[in-house]
Amino acid sequence: DAGITQSPRHKVTETGTPVTLRCHQTENHRYMYWYRQDPGHGLRLIHYSYGVKDTDKGEVSDGYSVSRSKTEDFLLTLESATSSQTSVYFCAITPGLQGSSLQFFGPGTRLTVL
Amino acid sequence: RKEVEQDPGPFNVPEGATVAFNCTYSNSASQSFFWYRQDCRKEPKLLMSVYSSGNEDGRFTAQLNRASQYISLLIRDSKLSDSATYLCVVNDYGGSQGNLIFGKGTKLSVKP
Repeated sequence: DAGITQSPRHKVTETGTPVTLRCHQTENHRYMYWYRQDPGHGLRLIHYSYGVKDTDKGEVSDGYSVSRSKTEDFLLTLESATSSQTSVYFCAITPGLQGSSLQFFGPGTRLTVL
Repeated sequence: RKEVEQDPGPFNVPEGATVAFNCTYSNSASQSFFWYRQDCRKEPKLLMSVYSSGNEDGRFTAQLNRASQYISLLIRDSKLSDSATYLCVVNDYGGSQGNLIFGKGTKLSVKP
């Protein structure tokens, strides 16, 4: 158990509304990631963080922003949700194993944008 | 664009069968390789890392061929509980660190 929780676990919202997803970890990991998973696609990286206030874009960052004001929380915000952002969102961490890119995942958030 | 390619399946096999999954990756500089397992509507979970010399964990054997940029997973004596989607995962740039690239997964269904 990597000690990762995500909230909410399920959310239905309407097009144009802002949405914030939260990833919380209890083990002081430096690296955190947000992915989305859609049918016909592998997991795709949205944004990642390598420390407090240090974030960078991934493959599919358009329409998303992130914030990390403290080590344990990594927030993903959809400023104005669109139907194309209907997806399952997973948060992940890299444990502190030197030289390792291994990642462990949270339970996911199912987001539906109507 | 760096990619990881897998046969999507589904592989439908009887209990006790041996099944093999393959995957190819495009980035010759990658040095970290993994197989993850994902159950329906759940998060991916690490099944095993893949080492150059090949490695085994119980009924599961992983092999890496760097020259061909090819990774395999062999499951012996399949169990009903092995039914899942298996994700081939590679790090996206040279060295062992860096972000990960995920294949789309191979679906396995083990039948009684």
